[in-house]
Amino acid sequence: ETGVTQTPRHLVMGMTNKKSLKCEQHLGHNAMYWYKQSAKKPLELMFVYSLEERVENNSVPSRFSPECPNSSHLFLHLHTLQPEDSALYLCASSQDMQGMADTQYFGPGTRLTVL
Amino acid sequence: LAKTTQPISMDSYEGQEVNITCSHNNIATNDYITWYQQFPSQGPRFIIQGYKTKVTNEVASLFIPADRKSSTLSLPRVSLSDTAVYYCLVGANSGYALNFGKGTSLLVTP
Repeated sequence: ETGVTQTPRHLVMGMTNKKSLKCEQHLGHNAMYWYKQSAKKPLELMFVYSLEERVENNSVPSRFSPECPNSSHLFLHLHTLQPEDSALYLCASSQDMQGMADTQYFGPGTRLTVL
Repeated sequence: LAKTTQPISMDSYEGQEVNITCSHNNIATNDYITWYQQFPSQGPRFIIQGYKTKVTNEVASLFIPADRKSSTLSLPRVSLSDTAVYYCLVGANSGYALNFGKGTSLLVTP
């Protein structure tokens, strides 16, 4: 257990559905991240939040909408997804130590399938 | 961000020592070197981190030469459960963007 939980662990949705992925960290960290991992591809950083403010958005399509209501919770709202969005979505958190190496702790991921 | 290069895959037998080398020629002065391990359908897990010379913990050792342009992750006496993808990352906290790359896929067989 890394102290980062994600729900649901598996999700199947149609292209017209709206769903949300949830991430919660119990580590007292200040930064939270969403990554996407497609089959046989490197992890792609999607969004970064630091103290509930979005600090990075790596050209992610608007059909993915993040929300960070507090430093312990992170959501990824999904709507009108495409089959190519099927992937493992990983949440991570870190202490956010300015100027120092910052270890990220990952959740188990949500396996998303878009039909 | 410093670019890293590591072997795509490695094979080993149980009980052997495995050394995975990562090249990072344009490492910056304030960059740390961090290794993560990832099992299928799970999130990466931090293994070890270092800045220079040698670091050892209960899982692995990390060797970093004086010029810091490469690093070697050493896994002593691997078991089947060490079969995973190992990522070498170089960076500091600025920008948050950890570049995981493709990693090294290690297969341990009996």
